[in-house]
Amino acid sequence: GAGVSQSPRYKVAKRGQDVALRCDPISGHVSLFWYQQALGQGPEFLTYFQNEAQLDKSGLPSDRFFAERPEGSVSTLKIQRTQQEDSAVYLCASSFYRGQETQYFGPGTRLLVL
Amino acid sequence: GDSVTQMEGPVTLSEEAFLTINCTYTATGYPSLFWYVQYPGEGLQLLLKATKADDKGSNKGFEATYRKETTSFHLEKGSVQVSDSAVYFCALRLLDYNNNDMRFGAGTRLTVKP
Repeated sequence: GAGVSQSPRYKVAKRGQDVALRCDPISGHVSLFWYQQALGQGPEFLTYFQNEAQLDKSGLPSDRFFAERPEGSVSTLKIQRTQQEDSAVYLCASSFYRGQETQYFGPGTRLLVL
Repeated sequence: GDSVTQMEGPVTLSEEAFLTINCTYTATGYPSLFWYVQYPGEGLQLLLKATKADDKGSNKGFEATYRKETTSFHLEKGSVQVSDSAVYFCALRLLDYNNNDMRFGAGTRLTVKP
């Protein structure tokens, strides 16, 4: 079956530009996670949704980062007024239910802010 | 806080060599432990996992045993192949209703030469 998909795969933005990153989780998966992976580092948690509810956004680095999942399936991570330090790979993961341990990851969106 | 520390890379081995990638963790609760693998240009894939002390996770010839006494989850493979070249991430997730994210190590890049 289809896995987690993300688009675009690559995004180049000028500093100050707004960007929107999309995640399509596995169909039927209740839980959705966003992670930020800096070059040479492991992924770091940004935010978590259960269906359409954003239950944890403690990892969002600033108020320029905003995520939504209005219908409980597709999610969008938006970054306003991008800065160079936002350059990273943004990973989306989903799992079938909250307590399920295994998260399935998408290929990521590589964001480069110039 | 809860964290994972894994062996720094890069690691370069010849085909059929024995592989060990060390991973230790710090957690206040009782975590599940994971190894994820990231092949070039692809997303993170679950390689194996263990949910309680003394459990052994295994997949594709890789093994890791959950050692509570040493807080470790070292990844091993008896005979590596060129196709095993990838970045390996150790991770933990607490079995806590309020904890929604996974904590990853920084990753270890493995290169296997023919």
